[in-house]
Amino acid sequence: KAGVTQTPRYLIKTRGQQVTLSCSPISGHRSVSWYQQTPGQGLQFLFEYFSETQRNKGNFPGRFSGRQFSNSRSEMNVSTLELGDSALYLCASSLQDRVKGGELFFGEGSRLTVL
Amino acid sequence: QKEVEQNSGPLSVPEGAIASLNCTYSDRGSQSFFWYRQYSGKSPELIMFIYSNGDKEDGRFTAQLNKASQYVSLLIRDSQPSDSATYLCAVSSNFGNEKLTFGTGTRLTIIP
Repeated sequence: KAGVTQTPRYLIKTRGQQVTLSCSPISGHRSVSWYQQTPGQGLQFLFEYFSETQRNKGNFPGRFSGRQFSNSRSEMNVSTLELGDSALYLCASSLQDRVKGGELFFGEGSRLTVL
Repeated sequence: QKEVEQNSGPLSVPEGAIASLNCTYSDRGSQSFFWYRQYSGKSPELIMFIYSNGDKEDGRFTAQLNKASQYVSLLIRDSQPSDSATYLCAVSSNFGNEKLTFGTGTRLTIIP
């Protein structure tokens, strides 16, 4: 069974540019969440999508946006990049099965460096 | 005050001993509690989840929850070198996992 796939794995951008990250969830998973991980702040929730609808949103500026397609694949976009956006961006998918504990399955992440 | 707090460590434990990891949270309405393990350079993976006060055991791992004290812990018995990793405590305000608040993690090293 294929895991969560994120692309690209690594990317370097300059300030002011924009970036789009992609996430393919595990087959059958309809919920996709995005997290930002930095050494200082740890894992911080960005947003969560379920059946193409954003259900939850974290405390990030509007420069951070996302969407989910009908096949559950998701993208996140960061516009007008700032140095502080340098981080590992993790995508996680879930069955949203509360009986089983709703385990989040994380991808390997997209490491973004902003110069 | 951070919403979920963990001792950053590093925590060093001899092989075969019990490792005790602690986490406190500020939102009294929190309902779901998770422990994730993250090896260096890898993504987090779920170890345990707990919803009710008390203990929950799974193999060498035991999660303990005390909602009155807003405290959750993870015990690892018979610690192995392969348990060396960063352990992340995560909390949700509902019974799902739609929006998790993570602590910054405790780095655990098992000494052979």
